[in-house]
Amino acid sequence: GAVVSQHPSWVICKSGTSVKIECRSLDFQATTMFWYRQFPKQSLMLMATSNEGSKATYEQGVEKDKFLINHASLTLSTLTVTSAHPEDSSFYICSAFLPGQPNQPQHFGDGTRLSIL
Amino acid sequence: GQNIDQPTEMTATEGAIVQINCTYQTSGFNGLFWYQQHAGEAPTFLSYNVLDGLEEKGRFSSFLSRSKGYSYLLLKELQMKDSASYLCAVRAFRRVDAGNMLTFGGGTRLMVKP
Repeated sequence: GAVVSQHPSWVICKSGTSVKIECRSLDFQATTMFWYRQFPKQSLMLMATSNEGSKATYEQGVEKDKFLINHASLTLSTLTVTSAHPEDSSFYICSAFLPGQPNQPQHFGDGTRLSIL
Repeated sequence: GQNIDQPTEMTATEGAIVQINCTYQTSGFNGLFWYQQHAGEAPTFLSYNVLDGLEEKGRFSSFLSRSKGYSYLLLKELQMKDSASYLCAVRAFRRVDAGNMLTFGGGTRLMVKP
């Protein structure tokens, strides 16, 4: 079945560091990918919709200059958390939209746990 | 906007049946999904309803009533491994570029006890 690979799975770094997270669709082309953030004991909150070849669409309250999204190819979207601070520590999950499967439109990566010291 | 409500926590006994409810308010409804999420892991797809009625998949069933804005996930023959969070998610036409965007409810943490 469709597989989405997310890397890295775990990041621990100092405050002020920029962190890049990659999301790849392994056996299909994904023109649309979604980035979510999940704080402990809370649900997934959509941060942005990433569209190949165009600018990402950010949800209200998400700083586009803080969370840079690049979707340069049909199989890769990246999220860069710039100048990360402890409040950015969270679980980040990407998902890819699989065309032609309306009953299972999104396939999730395994997530990235980001811890900022 | 969208409003999705589900209970925060539930507890059930191994071997029993549990029903997790989800109510939603949205325009442009285009499907309701249930996901299972174990702590620290990504969600895994359980079921999809777009028409009224019951969808059954093994020990899991999901029901939808569009007129009532209501769905439930039914888990039968509960096993210890079913202890997880269960997320209700609604798909709605909101933007042309995000027709398949999902909005998630807060999730229901299910604890299965021996």
